[in-house]
Amino acid sequence: EVQLVESGGGLVQPGGSLRLSCAASGFTFSSYEMNWVRQAPGKGLEWVAYISSSDNTIYYADSVKGRFTISRDNAKNSLYLQMSGLRAEDTAVYYCARDGSSGWYPDCWGQGTLVAVSS
Amino acid sequence: DIVMTQTPLSLSVTPGQPASISCKSSQSLLHGNGRTYLYWYLQKPGQSPQVLIYEVSNRFSGVPDRFSGSGSGTDFTLKISRVEAEDVGVYYCMQSIHVSITFGQGTRLEIK
Repeated sequence: EVQLVESGGGLVQPGGSLRLSCAASGFTFSSYEMNWVRQAPGKGLEWVAYISSSDNTIYYADSVKGRFTISRDNAKNSLYLQMSGLRAEDTAVYYCARDGSSGWYPDCWGQGTLVAVSS
Repeated sequence: DIVMTQTPLSLSVTPGQPASISCKSSQSLLHGNGRTYLYWYLQKPGQSPQVLIYEVSNRFSGVPDRFSGSGSGTDFTLKISRVEAEDVGVYYCMQSIHVSITFGQGTRLEIK
């Protein structure tokens, strides 16, 4: 069974940093492109970042560019999101999402981890 | 970024009746390779999003055939032929022709 399990969320002060992790299982992680997508409380979905299977291609949403860093460790079947310079508007549930093998879309999502930025 | 606009933003449907959601993109989603990068997701209450339709009209594995997608270019539609109680949630369209993926605002479906 394909599983994505996020961790690392929590309460952080504005300007602080946090590192999210996503543990993948049930598929060949190194063969798949991955994304982070977030959802502010009561709001819609916002794509955050993308990383190719061999991490040679990375994209970010303008809203996080320069503050967030996506990375992966294929040997550990893990995806990461290093977040710094956090702002109140970064408060959201952060989902790890796998891109489908047949197209450019997330076909499998984790349960999400909540990041709350507040003083 | 490509802007995705969904209508309506909310829908109340009697079980067994049809439902339709429109999604319009600010740019064509037709790629030079002939594929159209428009998708539909459903986020059920308390759950993560799940893909329903990929590339306009292809049902994802396990999706009931009461769900169908259509459209081209910049105008797309998701139809549910006969709504069931388990279809409640928020429906999102999404484009990925541009590296910066964007979603529609979401359409909340409730059962009357």
